[in-house]
Amino acid sequence: AQTVTQSQPEMSVQEAETVTLSCTYDTSESNYYLFWYKQPPSRQMILVIRQEAYKQQNATENRFSVNFQKAAKSFSLKISDSQLGDTAMYFCAFRVGNYGQNFVFGPGTRLSVLP
Amino acid sequence: KAGVTQTPRYLIKTRGQQVTLSCSPISGHRSVSWYQQTPGQGLQFLFEYFSETQRNKGNFPGRFSGRQFSNSRSEMNVSTLELGDSALYLCASNLGDRSSYNSPLHFGNGTRLTVT
Repeated sequence: AQTVTQSQPEMSVQEAETVTLSCTYDTSESNYYLFWYKQPPSRQMILVIRQEAYKQQNATENRFSVNFQKAAKSFSLKISDSQLGDTAMYFCAFRVGNYGQNFVFGPGTRLSVLP
Repeated sequence: KAGVTQTPRYLIKTRGQQVTLSCSPISGHRSVSWYQQTPGQGLQFLFEYFSETQRNKGNFPGRFSGRQFSNSRSEMNVSTLELGDSALYLCASNLGDRSSYNSPLHFGNGTRLTVT
């Protein structure tokens, strides 16, 4: 079975601090893509960052970066200089297969950024 | 470019009824996927449509069905509603072709379905 585990149901961080959200996954596929999405109270899922499994270099998008450890099947998200607007549910996900858009999502981590 | 549009935003139905949810993808996107989000189960994949054909299907009973029209708009239908069908139903679109392997899903705001 293909699964995603996010071991931290809830986290909090002070504004301007750095926080890391963990994610591990399990798949027998060799070709897959990893994503982090955030879901603020407005409900809309927004892409934060993505990583191609065959690329060893960790992806970075402004204050967001990942630590991708393929052998360990780990894909953590680091948020630097946290802002109040980062308060949201964060979902780790991966897409499997060579066609089709079947994404497997983790259970999510609720992040609260405190003033 | 307009985003993914889902209607309605809220629905209240009674057990045993049926419901139809609508999703208009981003212009040019041919793949539409549906997800059910509940506090207990998280996001679960329902099915994906591409060029009017169901391309992938999750593990949901046959009461959940969908279709896609020639303009890529999609509808999802749930028949004989049960209390456990209460959830946020999210629709997502992307290009869906082989050249867009790493393209992300673009989500709508969802339809909140409450079954009483």
